[in-house]
Amino acid sequence: GENVEQHPSTLSVQEGDSAVIKCTYSDSASNYFPWYKQELGKRPQLIIDIRSNVGEKKDQRIAVTLNKTAKHFSLHITETQPEDSAVYFCAASSQTGGFKTIFGAGTRLFVKA
Amino acid sequence: NAGVMQNPRHLVRRRGQEARLRCSPMKGHSHVYWYRQLPEEGLKFMVYLQKENIIDESGMPKERFSAEFPKEGPSILRIQQVVRGDSAAYFCASSHPSLQEQYFGPGTRLTVT
Repeated sequence: GENVEQHPSTLSVQEGDSAVIKCTYSDSASNYFPWYKQELGKRPQLIIDIRSNVGEKKDQRIAVTLNKTAKHFSLHITETQPEDSAVYFCAASSQTGGFKTIFGAGTRLFVKA
Repeated sequence: NAGVMQNPRHLVRRRGQEARLRCSPMKGHSHVYWYRQLPEEGLKFMVYLQKENIIDESGMPKERFSAEFPKEGPSILRIQQVVRGDSAAYFCASSHPSLQEQYFGPGTRLTVT
């Protein structure tokens, strides 16, 4: 079945450094790749997404890249701040049979001040 | 513009009782998704519904769990004869019928005693 693998499970960086989270997916029909940020006790919030016809997308300090051939996509956070500390989830969605979305297991990011 | 609403936010049930979780999608959204999240874990897909139709219930346990999204009113996730292992946060998300972006509600935290 469909699967999304996410690495690392935990990431600790110093404030101001960059953080990179990587995901791979198995379903070739996946065409939409969102990233969610979840703070403790809160709902997952969509922070950025990328579609299969685009290789890279940037929004201020966050960027996503997609390699469809290798079925890899990554989240890059530059100039990290303590408020970036949260759990980040990648996901992959296809339009086959509806918009079912499969999530990665999550990466717990700690940004040390 | 109200976001996705879920109620109750917290629900305590004794083993063997029934739990009913409600989700009202964002205005203009007719697709609803339910996810389960155990502590310190990721989001597990349960079911995807459109108005009056179950599109994909491949993540739903075969027994005790059911979901509906009637023509009028909220989507309901129903868990019969709850057991301790059902204790989790249950999130619903909604999307526009022609878009893949999903927006999450605040979740219902179910505790089975």
